[in-house]
Amino acid sequence: EAQVTQNPRYLITVTGKKLTVTCSQNMNHEYMSWYRQDPGLGLRQIYYSMNVEVTDKGDVPEGYKVSRKEKRNFPLILESPSPNQTSLYFCASSLGTGGQETQYFGPGTRLLVL
Amino acid sequence: SQQGEEDPQALSIQEGENATMNCSYKTSINNLQWYRQNSGRGLVHLILIRSNEREKHSGRLRVTLDTSKKSSSLLITASRAADTASYFCATDGDQGGSEKLVFGKGTKLTVNP
Repeated sequence: EAQVTQNPRYLITVTGKKLTVTCSQNMNHEYMSWYRQDPGLGLRQIYYSMNVEVTDKGDVPEGYKVSRKEKRNFPLILESPSPNQTSLYFCASSLGTGGQETQYFGPGTRLLVL
Repeated sequence: SQQGEEDPQALSIQEGENATMNCSYKTSINNLQWYRQNSGRGLVHLILIRSNEREKHSGRLRVTLDTSKKSSSLLITASRAADTASYFCATDGDQGGSEKLVFGKGTKLTVNP
């Protein structure tokens, strides 16, 4: 089944404790991205990747890191999480560039930073 | 930068009625997409319309695009309770390319049985 998977689905952590949210897609998509969704603010793009080893900042990249060492995986790293990073996070992928193609979304990761 | 803005923020209708949601954006685009999200779940793609297209249909969905007014509308005909969800428009980034996808804040649609 074609899908985007994210792990973990739910995470409670404390300020400053490094964490990684994994994202994997099995559709051989070139484009992958991360979004955060907050009440009243909609979805905002954090980082995106056009292909392996090619990443770029979205609208809200501060406090996040990403890497794209393999085509299928695009982990989101929070080196020192803070309470303002409490949010619902979505990974997405598409065959071509984000604006031109259908985005396939993962189920989301709900993060709470205490 | 927030590109698309949906209107209204919330819409409540009865089953069988039509639902119309609007999206306005600020700068030129190459493509506009509509997505649907059931509460707290991942978004699901509905329709992509390119800047040289004016209208597109998919089942009970009809999307229009008016580039002169920088606006799009999503019409759901003969709505069902299962259409209850949030609907988002998304546009290419406002920097001329299509690398970035910028979402609006969404319209929350409630269809009452």
